Amino acid sequence: DTEVTQTPKHLVMGMTNKKSLKCEQHMGHRAMYWYKQKAKKPPELMFVYSYEKLSINESVPSRFSPECPNSSLLNLHLHALQPEDSALYLCASSAPGLGGGYTFGSGTRLTVV
Amino acid sequence: RKEVEQDPGPFNVPEGATVAFNCTYSNSASQSFFWYRQDCRKEPKLLMSVYSSGNEDGRFTAQLNRASQYISLLIRDSKLSDSATYLCVVNDNYGQNFVFGPGTRLSVLP
Repeated sequence: DTEVTQTPKHLVMGMTNKKSLKCEQHMGHRAMYWYKQKAKKPPELMFVYSYEKLSINESVPSRFSPECPNSSLLNLHLHALQPEDSALYLCASSAPGLGGGYTFGSGTRLTVV
Repeated sequence: RKEVEQDPGPFNVPEGATVAFNCTYSNSASQSFFWYRQDCRKEPKLLMSVYSSGNEDGRFTAQLNRASQYISLLIRDSKLSDSATYLCVVNDNYGQNFVFGPGTRLSVLP
């Protein structure tokens, strides 16, 4: 069992749909992340929230919209996605400072049709 | 030059073999270092943090050479269950920006 919970585990959506991915952690971590991972590639950073404020946005298209309602929750709102956005979307959290690594959720496998 | 580079792989080794993975990073200000393993269609999981003094966990030994900006992972007596992709991860910013290497795939064969 992972300490970072992501829902849904699988999602198929059309290019005109609006959907949201959800992530929750109760480890008291104050930094949360969204990563995108394509097959046979490493995860690519999309967004970083630190203390519920967006601190890094790696120039991700506006069809991806993150939201951090509180320190335990992180959402990723999806709208008008393209087939090339199909990927594994990973949420992670980390404790402040150095030394600790990420804890990843099990991911949402997204297919855009 | 990529920020974090790893052996291209794949590595195909027999059970019981010793295998070593190498990783280099370009940012000399990097502060913390990790090895993750990722099984097919699963999330990455932390295998080991890497310290300057070197650290060992059972069959796994990690080393860091800050002067050479080089990290290694040694797996002894490899098992079938060690088959996975091994990702080198470097923290480039205080607690926030973790940079992933491209990963090295390991297949342990019976």
